[in-house]
Amino acid sequence: SQTIHQWPATLVQPVGSPLSLECTVEGTSNPNLYWYRQAAGRGLQLLFYSVGIGQISSEVPQNLSASRPQDRQFILSSKKLLLSDSGFYLCAAAGGYIEYTFGSGTRLTVV
Amino acid sequence: KQEVTQIPAALSVPEGENLVLNCSFTDSAIYNLQWFRQDPGKGLTSLLLIQSSQREQTSGRLNASLDKSSGRSTLYIAASQPGDSATYLCAVSMIYNQGGKLIFGQGTELSVKP
Repeated sequence: SQTIHQWPATLVQPVGSPLSLECTVEGTSNPNLYWYRQAAGRGLQLLFYSVGIGQISSEVPQNLSASRPQDRQFILSSKKLLLSDSGFYLCAAAGGYIEYTFGSGTRLTVV
Repeated sequence: KQEVTQIPAALSVPEGENLVLNCSFTDSAIYNLQWFRQDPGKGLTSLLLIQSSQREQTSGRLNASLDKSSGRSTLYIAASQPGDSATYLCAVSMIYNQGGKLIFGQGTELSVKP
């Protein structure tokens, strides 16, 4: 079974500062990787997904970007954070479009 | 465009009661459907995965059913316990969606009172 490592657990950043959130996957090769954001309430919004190294698809226009430098590493970045970037960020992995596994999430507060 | 709806949005039951959570989707061209549990401030834990060719899956006190033609899934929890209190999310992936993206419902917040 696959395990997702996501860090940090919480982060408070000032407006205009850069962001880097990292996610690594164990227990599977060539997974599909995803970044979701969960705003206040319960809805999960897909931000980016990747089907392979260097392949990134963006779901919504925004202030964020993603990269996949290695097969099991997925990074979410921003050059300048906005207040609206606050939220709970979740990384997920799926092998062969089957069962999804989620990380424990990062709570980002932009102040 | 696929839309996933979960009813009710919140549910409070006494301990020991059997309960059903509902999930409906508008497009039946799904690849699979997955139920998750989320505790406050935590990530998602997978509970049950039903592939499109299956009708139900069971794990312990949990049973999930899928009726693709009517666009519905139910999660049945038997003999509920206070530890079952959490938000339950259902999500589908589509046959035609590149990358196998999950589309989520808004969740049902369950509270089981001792």
